[in-house]
Amino acid sequence: DGGITQSPKYLFRKEGQNVTLSCEQNLNHDAMYWYRQDPGQGLRLIYYSQIVNDFQKGDIAEGYSVSREKKESFPLTVTSAQKNPTAFYLCASSREYNSPLHFGNGTRLTVT
Amino acid sequence: KNEVEQSPQNLTAQEGEFITINCSYSVGISALHWLQQHPGGGIVSLFMLSSGKKKHGRLIATINIQEKHSSLHITASHPRDSAVYICAVKHNTGNQFYFGTGTSLTVIP
Repeated sequence: DGGITQSPKYLFRKEGQNVTLSCEQNLNHDAMYWYRQDPGQGLRLIYYSQIVNDFQKGDIAEGYSVSREKKESFPLTVTSAQKNPTAFYLCASSREYNSPLHFGNGTRLTVT
Repeated sequence: KNEVEQSPQNLTAQEGEFITINCSYSVGISALHWLQQHPGGGIVSLFMLSSGKKKHGRLIATINIQEKHSSLHITASHPRDSAVYICAVKHNTGNQFYFGTGTSLTVIP
């Protein structure tokens, strides 16, 4: 079955540590996205990529970094520079311009 | 200012009731999406529409482009419909999506 796999489901880190969230898709989609979800707010875009080796900052990119070395993979690193990293992170993909979004099951990151 | 507004924020219904969730948006769009998020957090795409109406089982989605408004209807609601329903729009320039804050639906047996 095609889909998006995010791992791990839960992640705990100490303040000051960088952490990388995995996102893999086998849908052959070109576009991939990282969103952050906080209680009472809509999903906010962190980064997106429309093609391998290219990505653009979203609305809240500060303190995050990404790479897109392969079409299937779009890992997100939450750096120690991110002021409030505790959140639910969702990865999504779409085939192209006007296609449905497919989401992973999310990673809940807790930083203490 | 939110580009996408949903109402109501929370909704409780008795099993079997007809449910309507509303979405208004303020930007030019190429498509509108209705998404469903279950308590575990995963999100499923229900509909993508740019005009008119779509139906899938007990779910119906409509959009009025002139009024910048969409509705999601659930007929004969069931407890398994309990979830957060999110409206999202694809901006008509670029690749940006804007999301509503969601409507939390609870259907009581």
